[in-house]
Amino acid sequence: DTGVSQDPRHKITKRGQNVTFRCDPISEHNRLYWYRQTLGQGPEFLTYFQNEAQLEKSRLLSDRFSAERPKGSFSTLEIQRTEQGDSAMYLCASRKISGPYNEQFFGPGTRLTVL
Amino acid sequence: DAKTTQPNSMESNEEEPVHLPCNHSTISGTDYIHWYRQLPSQGPEYVIHGLTSNVNNRMASLAIAEDRKSSTLILHRATLRDAAVYYCILRAPTSGTYKYIFGTGTRLKVLA
Repeated sequence: DTGVSQDPRHKITKRGQNVTFRCDPISEHNRLYWYRQTLGQGPEFLTYFQNEAQLEKSRLLSDRFSAERPKGSFSTLEIQRTEQGDSAMYLCASRKISGPYNEQFFGPGTRLTVL
Repeated sequence: DAKTTQPNSMESNEEEPVHLPCNHSTISGTDYIHWYRQLPSQGPEYVIHGLTSNVNNRMASLAIAEDRKSSTLILHRATLRDAAVYYCILRAPTSGTYKYIFGTGTRLKVLA
């Protein structure tokens, strides 16, 4: 257990439905990252927050995707009008930016299946 | 972003050393080399990182070539728990994002 939790761990939905995932980072970590991982591939960066500010979004993050971190603590990732191509593992990671080096701590992921 | 190249898979016998190679010929002078591993059904976990000098920690050693165009992760005695996908990552040289660009990694199989 890295201290980063994600909920739910698994989600099955029908095409066209909206889904929302939650990530709770390690409490003193001010950076929070979202990644997506499809079968047999490494994780791909989606977006990241420093405190409550969303500072970068990947081109992978279409306008159906929205992420928030309203109080600089937990974060949510919402996918609207899901498509079968959205089926993947969604990973959250957190990091503290102070100090000479701080690695990212990953949560266990939320596995999304779109039928 | 600089890319890394790793073998798709490797096998090792239990309790033997494992050398996992990574090529990164386009690495820039300020890129750190990171290794993460992903156990089945888990998120990636940090293993080790380095810049120019070889590094050791309780999990592994990292040997970096003098020209920095390649590196090798060394597990000194592989155990069944070390079976995982190992990712060699260069930190993307963007303005402080510290996002990781993962490749497909090396799937390590450890034989009992």
